[in-house]
Amino acid sequence: AQKITQTQPGMFVQEKEAVTLDCTYDTSDPSYGLFWYKQPSSGEMIFLIYQGSYDQQNATEGRYSLNFQKARKSANLVISASQLGDSAMYFCAMREGRRRDNQGGKLIFGQGTELSVKP
Amino acid sequence: DTGVSQDPRHKITKRGQNVTFRCDPISEHNRLYWYRQTLGQGPEFLTYFQNEAQLEKSRLLSDRFSAERPKGSFSTLEIQRTEQGDSAMYLCASSLGREIDYGYTFGSGTRLTVV
Repeated sequence: AQKITQTQPGMFVQEKEAVTLDCTYDTSDPSYGLFWYKQPSSGEMIFLIYQGSYDQQNATEGRYSLNFQKARKSANLVISASQLGDSAMYFCAMREGRRRDNQGGKLIFGQGTELSVKP
Repeated sequence: DTGVSQDPRHKITKRGQNVTFRCDPISEHNRLYWYRQTLGQGPEFLTYFQNEAQLEKSRLLSDRFSAERPKGSFSTLEIQRTEQGDSAMYLCASSLGREIDYGYTFGSGTRLTVV
């Protein structure tokens, strides 16, 4: 069964510093996708970054980068130059593979990491 | 198109009452997903639709839960005889439904409180 594990319930980082949020995954599908979402206290899920299992390079989006280590099944999120507005819950998610019966493809989420940025 | 819309944003109901939530996906998206999120946890998959067909239901979706997506447009999630354990945020998401999907758009959710 596919599974996402986030082992850091909470993290603190000083403003303007970089922070790494850990994510490991388990799947037997050769094709999968990995996502990071940000969820502020208002509740909406904001897409941050995506990494496909066949992508050769690590994904980057502005201050966000994904440290993808396929052999170790890890997909850590790196936020550079933290800002106060980065304080939120962060979720790692995996898209399960599509099956022949057209099922599959849903996102499976980890437990989340609460990031607090200190001024 | 302004994204995925969910209504209502908040719902307080008495135990035993029925509630219905609505989700309007992005118009060109074929897939629509429902998730439940309890406090401090990640979203848990409930069910999803490919157009009007409900393709998968989680074991979390008890007999008291039913979801529909008539005509493959908006979707409704109904909870009958609500229990306190149903208190959660109910999130809706949509995607194009391609072989490899990387664009899942979430709504702002409906927060249900059962008293």
